[in-house]
Amino acid sequence: GIQVEQSPPDLILQEGANSTLRCNFSDSVNNLQWFHQNPWGQLINLFYIPSGTKQNGRLSATTVATERYSLLYISSSQTTDSGVYFCAVERGTGFQKLVFGTGTRLLVSP
Amino acid sequence: ETGVTQSPTHLIKTRGQQVTLRCSSQSGHNTVSWYQQALGQGPQFIFQYYREEENGRGNFPPRFSGLQFPNYSSELNVNALELDDSALYLCASSWDSGNTIYFGEGSWLTVV
Repeated sequence: GIQVEQSPPDLILQEGANSTLRCNFSDSVNNLQWFHQNPWGQLINLFYIPSGTKQNGRLSATTVATERYSLLYISSSQTTDSGVYFCAVERGTGFQKLVFGTGTRLLVSP
Repeated sequence: ETGVTQSPTHLIKTRGQQVTLRCSSQSGHNTVSWYQQALGQGPQFIFQYYREEENGRGNFPPRFSGLQFPNYSSELNVNALELDDSALYLCASSWDSGNTIYFGEGSWLTVV
């Protein structure tokens, strides 16, 4: 099956710093999403981005489908950005069977 | 707030018992998926229901089963619980196979 690798596995930032999270996937995909999981387990959808670039406030994402990677940018990080960031992909059509990466654990300190 | 609610939030069961986890989706979300997330790992797809029929299954044994109801609620049932079933169980829903999927806060299951 498709493999999804995320890097770095852990990241510690000072508040206000910028960061880039990477997601590599082993095969072509029809669906790629970025999620943020807060310390209580809630997964929040950040971006649906199978290709191209999107921005939402301090967050932006770029997926280069032909090279099988996606990047999530966090600018001016805040303590509330702490948590685990997951990239999830889907190859098939007709139903959603997301394959998640192992995540990047981010800690933003004041 | 994703509009997807799960219950119970936490529970403890004994090995060999059965458990039912519940999920209530947003009105109109006719696709629901269940995921298992072990500690320190990413969620793993269990199965999906579309318009009350199973529509895709991951690598989970038949003792994991589910139901979806017309009122946009669903259940995950696990029989003959094993210690390795201890995990966070997440419900997710969307319109058809739409591109935005909404997760609930999950049910933390501990099997002792």
